[in-house]
Amino acid sequence: ETGVTQSPTHLIKTRGQQVTLRCSSQSGHNTVSWYQQALGQGPQFIFQYYREEENGRGNFPPRFSGLQFPNYSSELNVNALELDDSALYLCASSPDSNTGELFFGEGSRLTVL
Amino acid sequence: GNSVTQMEGPVTLSEEAFLTINCTYTATGYPSLFWYVQYPGEGLQLLLKATKADDKGSNKGFEATYRKETTSFHLEKGSVQVSDSAVYFCALNPSGAGSYQLTFGKGTKLSVIP
Repeated sequence: ETGVTQSPTHLIKTRGQQVTLRCSSQSGHNTVSWYQQALGQGPQFIFQYYREEENGRGNFPPRFSGLQFPNYSSELNVNALELDDSALYLCASSPDSNTGELFFGEGSRLTVL
Repeated sequence: GNSVTQMEGPVTLSEEAFLTINCTYTATGYPSLFWYVQYPGEGLQLLLKATKADDKGSNKGFEATYRKETTSFHLEKGSVQVSDSAVYFCALNPSGAGSYQLTFGKGTKLSVIP
């Protein structure tokens, strides 16, 4: 069984640029959520997708957007990057069993200069 | 709003020592509670969970009991090993079906020395 995979693992951008991060969910999982983990902090919820629809969003501005595809893979897009966007971005998938358990990828580390 | 407070780290213990990492929470209703662990170079993974008051979650020798009266979910292990060195996160999932919006604490880094 393949777990959650994310790409790229590391990337560097400059302020004002745009970035797209990708996630392949674990087989059989139809819910994907994204989290931002700043250095030394716990993950913070960005948003969640279920069957290609956003169905939950945390306290992040609209320049953070996402997509979920029919195969349940997902993208996180961030426009107009700011220095504070530097963080580890975690993708997590969940089965449709409402256990509350998330299966996390290893993350994409974004540095904004 | 929902929040999770866990003890500041880092925590350094000798092998076979007793471990406690404190976690308290603020939430309305009856959240589910979790401990996630992040080993060096790996993604977060679920360590244990409890979904209602007085439930005890356990895994790999770790235990935590959901205490609604004290709004706590402290993590314990009787005898830690070097391989337990990791960052531990306490988290809650608010009441409500279909939500995977976890609120995490800041994490506690544990180092176990031989």
